[in-house]
Amino acid sequence: DTGVSQNPRHKITKRGQNVTFRCDPISEHNRLYWYRQTLGQGPEFLTYFQNEAQLEKSRLLSDRFSAERPKGSFSTLEIQRTEQGDSAMYLCASSFPSDTQYFGPGTRLTVL
Amino acid sequence: KQEVTQIPAALSVPEGENLVLNCSFTDSAIYNLQWFRQDPGKGLTSLLLIQSSQREQTSGRLNASLDKSSGRSTLYIAASQPGDSATYLCAVYSGNTGKLIFGQGTTLQVKP
Repeated sequence: DTGVSQNPRHKITKRGQNVTFRCDPISEHNRLYWYRQTLGQGPEFLTYFQNEAQLEKSRLLSDRFSAERPKGSFSTLEIQRTEQGDSAMYLCASSFPSDTQYFGPGTRLTVL
Repeated sequence: KQEVTQIPAALSVPEGENLVLNCSFTDSAIYNLQWFRQDPGKGLTSLLLIQSSQREQTSGRLNASLDKSSGRSTLYIAASQPGDSATYLCAVYSGNTGKLIFGQGTTLQVKP
């Protein structure tokens, strides 16, 4: 399968715990994006990488959130001290510049 | 600040009907516009990408149009089928990073 993959697909955690999600983009894509989607809403942009450089972060990305893309390949999104308001679907997408973004299946986070 | 609006929020039609989904955006200085399909609890599937220099794109029973001057795009679905039931999302490419600004989506139900 050469599509975008995300792991885990589902994560249930208790408030205050740390969680980490992984995204593996399409191998030749140099752009990688993270979005967050809550129920009944469209996805909202969180952050963007070009190769290994994180070039833009949304104000939605509080200090508890951190994202990395070492070596310009896979990316991780970590949420520290989770809150119930962090419950959402976290989506990853990859692309070439000025080209179609391809999305992964998402990681659904539930914070109890 | 770019804002994307989709009307209607929900739509129910009988099988075989032709239908139009609407998308409007506030800033006409867009790069591209993309339509996605999302099934419940799933990631996003790209349907059509319209580049800013184009007026429309077609794929099978789908036709998307773009009028930058009026800030509008439409997705036309011909001869709807129950399998078309899903949420349809419109997204505008914003800025040099290519991040997507999404509408809230139109949830379509096609009844057999």
